[in-house]
Parts: sequence; structure tokens; C-alpha cells
Amino acid sequence: QVQLVQSGAEVRKPGASVKVSCKASGYTLTTYYMNWVRQAPGQRPEWMGMINPSGSTTRYAERLKGRITMTRDTSTSTFYMELRSLTSEDTAVYYCARRLQFGDPYYFDHWGQGTLVAVST
Amino acid sequence: SSELTQDPAVSVALGQTVTITCQGDSLRSFYAGWYQQRPGQAPVLVFHGKNNRPSGIPDRFSGASSGNTASLTITAAQADDEAVYYCNTGDSLGNRVIFGGGTILTVL
Repeated sequence: QVQLVQSGAEVRKPGASVKVSCKASGYTLTTYYMNWVRQAPGQRPEWMGMINPSGSTTRYAERLKGRITMTRDTSTSTFYMELRSLTSEDTAVYYCARRLQFGDPYYFDHWGQGTLVAVST
Repeated sequence: SSELTQDPAVSVALGQTVTITCQGDSLRSFYAGWYQQRPGQAPVLVFHGKNNRPSGIPDRFSGASSGNTASLTITAAQADDEAVYYCNTGDSLGNRVIFGGGTILTVL
């Protein structure tokens, strides 16, 4: 079965960076887009961006451009999301979310368990 | 506007039918996806597109769309359906994805 297992919770100070991992299994990585979605406490989910099946193309949400990088390591079947220059507004649960293989490109059928990133002095 | 608007909270009696709505200009061009999120858990896709229910989702969940409004209907609501429901949509290339503010469903 499809599994997306994310790395553990992180605490960072303002201005620092964080890199969250998402290990995928149970499906062929090179046939699905992977997205990252974050959710601040009590807020709606916020789409952060996506990486294509070959890992050659990324698309980022406009408000995060310049601070975010998504990568993939095919040897370990792991996806990464790095966010830099953190502020308290980046405190949220971060999810990796697999996009449906077919159909509209904003349906996410499998999600990781989430990684809490807390930014605090 | 690129926003998606949902009613903050809706309640339904056990066994009855409830409809949750989502409004936004983007829905005139693109279908919506619907997600169920229980406390402390990741969202789960329960319906998407014109008429698609993921494997494992009960057929009590159905969706519809008209103009700038998408709706999710839950028939014979169960206690287990208590959750926050989010709608989402995007553009045809996957370059932009937006979520609604969520609707808290209470089953009485």
C-alpha cells in the first residue's frame, strides 16, 4: 500500500532553515507528482508547491518563491522540502501529498502524517 | 477573486443528509476536490471532479457543481463523519492550488 512517512518535529529560531523529508513507498515514484502543503494552527491548508515525476521541474507558490526548494532522491525514494529565512508565520504542520495520477492536478490522494515545524525565539 | 468560501460550521442529525458548499470564481472553470480532516490527522480526499469518489470512500459521499458553487453531500450521516471538510481547486497546470476555509461538521 502507498505510504508517505515524514521526518519528525522540528524547532527553529527565526532566520533559520528547515528541511523536511517524506519517504515514499508502495508505488512507482516516477509516475506521480509530489506536492507539499502546510497548515498553520486552526487555519486552512496552504499549497506550497510541487515537483514533477522526473524531479526535473518544480513549481512553487508565489509567496514562497525564493525561500523554498523541493528535491527528490530516487535512490532512497525520499522527497525533501527546504524552507529558509523562517519567521513565526512559518509555524505549521507540513505535509507531503501525492497528486492523483490522472485528472485535475490539484487532487491529493495520499498524504504523509505531517511534520510540525515550530519557529520560536 | 481567487478565494474559496465555505460556511464555518454545519450540523446534521444522525442518519440525516447534509450538504456543504464551497463558493468561488475559480469554480466556474475548474472542479473542486473535497477533503475530510479529523483532529490531529492529515486530510483525506473524499470526492473530486465531476463525479469521482476515491477507493474506500463510502458512497454516502457525493459531489455536485453549478456555476461558482461546488457542494459535497453526505447522506445518512454517521458519527464518524464529524470532521472539518475542506474544498480545493486550482488551475489546469497544477501551478496554483487553493483551499477553502473549511466547514466544521457536527453530527448530533
